[in-house]
Amino acid sequence: GEDVEQSLFLSVREGDSSVINCTYTDSSSTYLYWYKQEPGAGLQLLTYIFSNMDMKQDQRLTVLLNKKDKHLSLRIADTQTGDSAIYFCAESLTDSWGKLQFGAGTQVVVTP
Amino acid sequence: EPEVTQTPSHQVTQMGQEVILRCVPISNHLYFYWYRQILGQKVEFLVSFYNNEISEKSEIFDDQFSVERPDGSNFTLKIRSTKLEDSAMYFCASRAGTYGYTFGSGTRLTVV
Repeated sequence: GEDVEQSLFLSVREGDSSVINCTYTDSSSTYLYWYKQEPGAGLQLLTYIFSNMDMKQDQRLTVLLNKKDKHLSLRIADTQTGDSAIYFCAESLTDSWGKLQFGAGTQVVVTP
Repeated sequence: EPEVTQTPSHQVTQMGQEVILRCVPISNHLYFYWYRQILGQKVEFLVSFYNNEISEKSEIFDDQFSVERPDGSNFTLKIRSTKLEDSAMYFCASRAGTYGYTFGSGTRLTVV
């Protein structure tokens, strides 16, 4: 079935790196996304990666994609208190009109 | 930067009442979506809309739900007779091409 899995919680100290992991199901997904949601707010697109890439770096964010294992990760370098939020992994399903399948989200708490 | 605008930000309605949630997608986007997020749960796909018709819908999107693009700029979600379990955050999204989903900030619907 279609299910994107994420760990539910991550605690990290300010200044350290955070790594959020995700496994997805559709081996032919074209794009994989990371969204950030702050309390009571909408979904902010952080970054995305095309399925023919292994890695994408964007300032403090690094996305790694392992297609063989269907594993996606998001690394946040030098984590700040403003990075505290829920992070959602999502895959764009190839057999649909661009429907996104979301994971349950990882709550990241940054402690001073 | 172009935004997807949703109104209202919060709506409270009595069970059995009809509600209309409104969205203004980004003007040159062609694909439109509604998603919902029940409190504490994952973001779920409801419906996609392209070329003035529904292109895909989920099991959640039953006969109580409908979507419309009445005037070329607004995109609405109507729930005919709300139930308590319809209480959720509803997100509108639009995209132009293969990637580049943009989400609105959401409408929190509370059914009492």
